[in-house]
Amino acid sequence: GQQVMQIPQYQHVQEGEDFTTYCNSSTTLSNIQWYKQRPGGHPVFLIQLVKSGEVKKQKRLTFQFGEAKKNSSLHITATQTTDVGTYFCAGHISNDYKLSFGAGTTVTVRA
Amino acid sequence: ETGVTQTPRHLVMGMTNKKSLKCEQHLGHNAMYWYKQSAKKPLELMFVYNFKEQTENNSVPSRFSPECPNSSHLFLHLHTLQPEDSALYLCASSPGIAYNEQFFGPGTRLTVL
Repeated sequence: GQQVMQIPQYQHVQEGEDFTTYCNSSTTLSNIQWYKQRPGGHPVFLIQLVKSGEVKKQKRLTFQFGEAKKNSSLHITATQTTDVGTYFCAGHISNDYKLSFGAGTTVTVRA
Repeated sequence: ETGVTQTPRHLVMGMTNKKSLKCEQHLGHNAMYWYKQSAKKPLELMFVYNFKEQTENNSVPSRFSPECPNSSHLFLHLHTLQPEDSALYLCASSPGIAYNEQFFGPGTRLTVL
């Protein structure tokens, strides 16, 4: 069954507001990666987190890897229309080189 | 972005047709992947090649046949597909297969009639 779960599946956000999307794994992950896919586009790598409790920021995006390395979050502040798209998390289950993707959170923005 | 290219971008085929999808990466990577992306489902890994050798066949039906002649090129040969095979087929590459970020191509939107 699916090992990496993402919630929510859809996120409708008012422009200027903040939101968070979550990624949960049933097993410990060696790392967590986040990708963004714009409508009609392909997944584009955003960031990778490796260490327990790691936090990384990219401008208005904050990525966090949980202490137990089983969950991750992406927080976006002051949402803009350019943030529209589907955000996927993906992780390597320990000792497995295959990347397991979540189903994604699709973000729409109300101007 | 032109690191990973895919052709064709769109393909419509009947169930009795034979067609091939092509992927080329210009990044000097050693690993290449085929994924299937269907609506509202996670990306499904189909095949993995590392240094031209297939390391993964994720229970994919035999009507999908991959070919990797060298580290830069990857093909997916299609034969006797079903309508449920309609999806976006994404090729990706990475420096190696362990814990590397993956670079995706634009995908081929396949419709099987």
